Amino acid sequence: GQNIDQPTEMTATEGAIVQINCTYQTSGFNGLFWYQQHAGEAPTFLSYNVLDGLEEKGRFSSFLSRSKGYSYLLLKELQMKDSASYLCAVMDSNYQLIWGAGTKLIIKP
Amino acid sequence: DGGITQSPKYLFRKEGQNVTLSCEQNLNHDAMYWYRQDPGQGLRLIYYSQIVNDFQKGDIAEGYSVSREKKESFPLTVTSAQKNPTAFYLCASKGLADTGELFFGEGSRLTVL
Repeated sequence: GQNIDQPTEMTATEGAIVQINCTYQTSGFNGLFWYQQHAGEAPTFLSYNVLDGLEEKGRFSSFLSRSKGYSYLLLKELQMKDSASYLCAVMDSNYQLIWGAGTKLIIKP
Repeated sequence: DGGITQSPKYLFRKEGQNVTLSCEQNLNHDAMYWYRQDPGQGLRLIYYSQIVNDFQKGDIAEGYSVSREKKESFPLTVTSAQKNPTAFYLCASKGLADTGELFFGEGSRLTVL
């Protein structure tokens, strides 16, 4: 079967750095997405990786290793507004998205 | 402004009633999707449509129905056959590129009393 694993919850301090991991086992691979979702709201797109390596976008970076079935989302200079759930999703060989359950990130002052 | 709009945001239903959730987009996207989100679980695909007058079942289509009569609109009906309909429902759309990002509506929270 297809599976996406990410930690259920993480806690970090304002101003610090946090890394949210995602491992996947899917039927084929056509890219990996990270979305941010604040409580009760819609997910918003953060990043897309299809090749190995690091993609940097401001305070957020996303890394992919296809051989290891592994990605991480790195958040720097954490702000209180970064408190949200972070969803990892992989596009399989049929171009359908398989979603992880999300990681709830709690930022403490 | 371009976007995707869902309504209503909150909906209460008695058991045995059908309800229809609206989803409209003005992004000129061909593909539209309905997902269900439950606590502690990933988004689960209910139905999707890649072209007008055509739609496909997702992983959890039982108890739901959709139509795609217009490119802009993809309403979801939650029927009385859906045994556990209380959930957060998300509509999304995507452009022609297969690997394009999804744009989501704000969601509809359905509670069955």
